[in-house]
Amino acid sequence: AQSVAQPEDQVNVAEGNPLTVKCTYSVSGNPYLFWYVQYPNRGLQFLLKYITGDNLVKGSYGFEAEFNKSQTSFHLKKPSALVSDSALYFCAVSFPSNTGKLIFGQGTTLQVKP
Amino acid sequence: NAGVTQTPKFQVLKTGQSMTLQCAQDMNHNSMYWYRQDPGMGLRLIYYSASEGTTDKGEVPNGYNVSRLNKREFSLRLESAAPSQTSVYFCASRTAGPSGNTIYFGEGSWLTVV
Repeated sequence: AQSVAQPEDQVNVAEGNPLTVKCTYSVSGNPYLFWYVQYPNRGLQFLLKYITGDNLVKGSYGFEAEFNKSQTSFHLKKPSALVSDSALYFCAVSFPSNTGKLIFGQGTTLQVKP
Repeated sequence: NAGVTQTPKFQVLKTGQSMTLQCAQDMNHNSMYWYRQDPGMGLRLIYYSASEGTTDKGEVPNGYNVSRLNKREFSLRLESAAPSQTSVYFCASRTAGPSGNTIYFGEGSWLTVV
């Protein structure tokens, strides 16, 4: 079965330090990969996506993600965390010809402390 | 630019009551989706509509019905609410074309069934 895993329920980092939120997937074929962020009591906001091409994808708010096909991973990174980055982050995949349906990981809470 | 709009934002229902969640998008998108979000489970697809006039089941359709009223509107109906349907519901939409096109989400509807 197709699945997405975010192995950490919560990630804690100090402001100014680099952050990584991990995502691995188990799918057949060549998926499209997405990251979304959710602030408390709000909807999901699109951060970035990998479709094809360069394995390093840059997105909103200084975030980036690296696609690694051999490790089936798509980790979200930021060089210097801000307190305002504290939120719930979701990794998701979709596939060609599946009408754009997204399969989500369970989410990772990022806590950035001053 | 409203994007995806959902109503109501909050609702409390008694077991057995019915209700409809409304969703409208103003981005001229072809595809629309209903997801539910539960703690530790990410988002799961309830129903989707690839284009006006079509609807299909997602991962967790039991207990729900949908109507694609026109290109803009996609409603979700709970005919006889159960406590297991307590959740946060998100409507989403995307333009037609490759599955790599970004899905945009509404702000969510918090539903409690008592």
